[in-house]
Amino acid sequence: ETGVTQTPRHLVMGMTNKKSLKCEQHLGHNAMYWYKQSAKKPLELMFVYNFKEQTENNSVPSRFSPECPNSSHLFLHLHTLQPEDSALYLCASSQLRGTGELFFGEGSRLTVL
Amino acid sequence: AQSVTQPDIHITVSEGASLELRCNYSYGATPYLFWYVQSPGQGLQLLLKYFSGDTLVQGIKGFEAEFKRSQSSFNLRKPSVHWSDAAEYFCAVAFNNAGNMLTFGGGTRLMVKP
Repeated sequence: ETGVTQTPRHLVMGMTNKKSLKCEQHLGHNAMYWYKQSAKKPLELMFVYNFKEQTENNSVPSRFSPECPNSSHLFLHLHTLQPEDSALYLCASSQLRGTGELFFGEGSRLTVL
Repeated sequence: AQSVTQPDIHITVSEGASLELRCNYSYGATPYLFWYVQSPGQGLQLLLKYFSGDTLVQGIKGFEAEFKRSQSSFNLRKPSVHWSDAAEYFCAVAFNNAGNMLTFGGGTRLMVKP
């Protein structure tokens, strides 16, 4: 496989559920990102990991919990979400100290009931 | 503060017509510049990028963009639009003093009339 792969592509969950989104990159990059894209809103950067260390958390609520076990994998653990958390969650990767070019996955469409 | 602006939220063009999507940024130096395209429910795909050199860059799907330093602009163009070009287009800028983290514009939604 090549590129950035996200699973699942679609997820429906209740407000009391716990689920996880997974992202895997096969590009040899050392930085990974989570973005949130809601309808009619700009792309929101949520988290940044460089060499598995979290370097950015844009005031994201604690009901979103990221995990980066190695440079190739990134998870977003979800618990007690709200309906307004329904959105497309995009994972991306890049080469640290490169040009900033991001490579995106296809996204995970989350619906919270 | 550094920022990226896409002044047009929606644009509608007829199939076969030319297209120009605007992007402006505020920054004192020359950043790295990108255009991405997003089809509904999909991730973002890189169309083209500018790092240095020739200010007119060619990308995929027949798109090109021109960097104009004096105007702090990086407008995207296509001479003849196809119905499959209907999508959302994002300009993104990597500011060198921000570790080259990308800052995205708000996006322009392109609709194509038959």
